[in-house]
Amino acid sequence: ELKVEQNPLFLSMQEGKNYTIYCNYSTTSDRLYWYRQDPGKSLESLFVLLSNGAVKQEGRLMASLDTKARLSTLHITAAVHDLSATYFCAVGNYGGSQGNLIFGKGTKLSVKP
Amino acid sequence: DAGVTQSPTHLIKTRGQHVTLRCSPISGHKSVSWYQQVLGQGPQFIFQYYEKEERGRGNFPDRFSARQFPNYSSELNVNALLLGDSALYLCASSLGTSGGVPPDTQYFGPGTRLTVL
Repeated sequence: ELKVEQNPLFLSMQEGKNYTIYCNYSTTSDRLYWYRQDPGKSLESLFVLLSNGAVKQEGRLMASLDTKARLSTLHITAAVHDLSATYFCAVGNYGGSQGNLIFGKGTKLSVKP
Repeated sequence: DAGVTQSPTHLIKTRGQHVTLRCSPISGHKSVSWYQQVLGQGPQFIFQYYEKEERGRGNFPDRFSARQFPNYSSELNVNALLLGDSALYLCASSLGTSGGVPPDTQYFGPGTRLTVL
């Protein structure tokens, strides 16, 4: 059974600081997604990582994927208040005819002035 | 282009009732997936449909059912509602695949907030 673990689950940061969210998954998958969710809202796609060593950056967020270690990271650089949200990683359930995503529990990020 | 749309936005039901949730995918997308998100948790997969056929089912009881129509819109039905069914129900659409390959990017709708009293 494919499992996805994120840590930390809660993260309180000061503006201007850097931090990393970690996402570990239990079985082979070559497709890793990061989503953002604001309170009471739906999921917004941030990154899709398709291969080992993939790195993608958008603004203050950078995501990477190590398929051998079954690890993805979401690095936050010089955090600002607007980044406060819950961040989910999700792994593609590969095989057969299924095309679903398995999500982690999410990391609730709070950026304080 | 319009994104994924879902209706209704909010719904309040009592235990034992039945509910139908609706979803319209992004134009050109043939696959629709349903997820349940309980407060404080990540979304959990319920169903996936592609070209009107069920392609995947998560670990949910038979009270949950779904279907996809010729225009690729979809309905999720839940019978005999329980308090534990209270959640945000998310619909996601994607271009879809014929199977045997990793899922492509799924785009989520705004969700339907179901409260069971």
